Amino acid sequence: ILMTQSPATLSVSLGDRATLSCKTSHSITTNLAWYQHRPGQAPRLLMYAASTRATGIPARFSGGGSGTEFTLTINNLQSEDFAIYYCQQYNTWLYTFGQGTKVEIK
Amino acid sequence: QVQQVQSGAEVKKPGSSVKVSCRASGGNFSNYVIGWVRQAPGQGLEWMGTIIPILGIVKTAQKFQDRVTINADTSTSTADMELNSLESEDTATYYCARGPTATAPFDYWGLGLLVTVSS
Repeated sequence: ILMTQSPATLSVSLGDRATLSCKTSHSITTNLAWYQHRPGQAPRLLMYAASTRATGIPARFSGGGSGTEFTLTINNLQSEDFAIYYCQQYNTWLYTFGQGTKVEIK
Repeated sequence: QVQQVQSGAEVKKPGSSVKVSCRASGGNFSNYVIGWVRQAPGQGLEWMGTIIPILGIVKTAQKFQDRVTINADTSTSTADMELNSLESEDTATYYCARGPTATAPFDYWGLGLLVTVSS
């Protein structure tokens, strides 16, 4: 299953909203996760089942979609939110990741 | 949580092998799966393989099937991944991660081990 994330880079101001897209080549129902990856740190699970926040994830993060099209929305961007975000499908045991969207400060 | 046994970085020669080990703590190791993901410099995350320790079942990405060996030891709550026939393109940070099942996301990740392949 191929994963396509867009845009590659998103320039956003503090306090603004960021909307990230992830599309899959085949339907994965809602078997999609989002991760946040800051430089030098381990990736952090943000969202699973497309729209369920992982433990400890703030409510400004929200996810949606099903089938082949998914979004991650970050409201009221904080300084710690500037990072690379990856989607991952786990519909089959042969996981695949998107190529990532870098959210940078405008 | 998962803790990668090695810290820092390793340098390997082309053609050699590298083994990356992980120890899981908290919870019952037998109730989880351990996956391996790498990130080459400037690239995204790439899933390499996953093991169900209690069953000893392993799935690997087709790209690595001929070169990767993944094992787990439930008595010590450790898992390891060995990649053979290293090439410069294998230079990457290698992560282990824990998941609740084989078809679920990884909820805890190790800090990663940078492996540099260079002559």
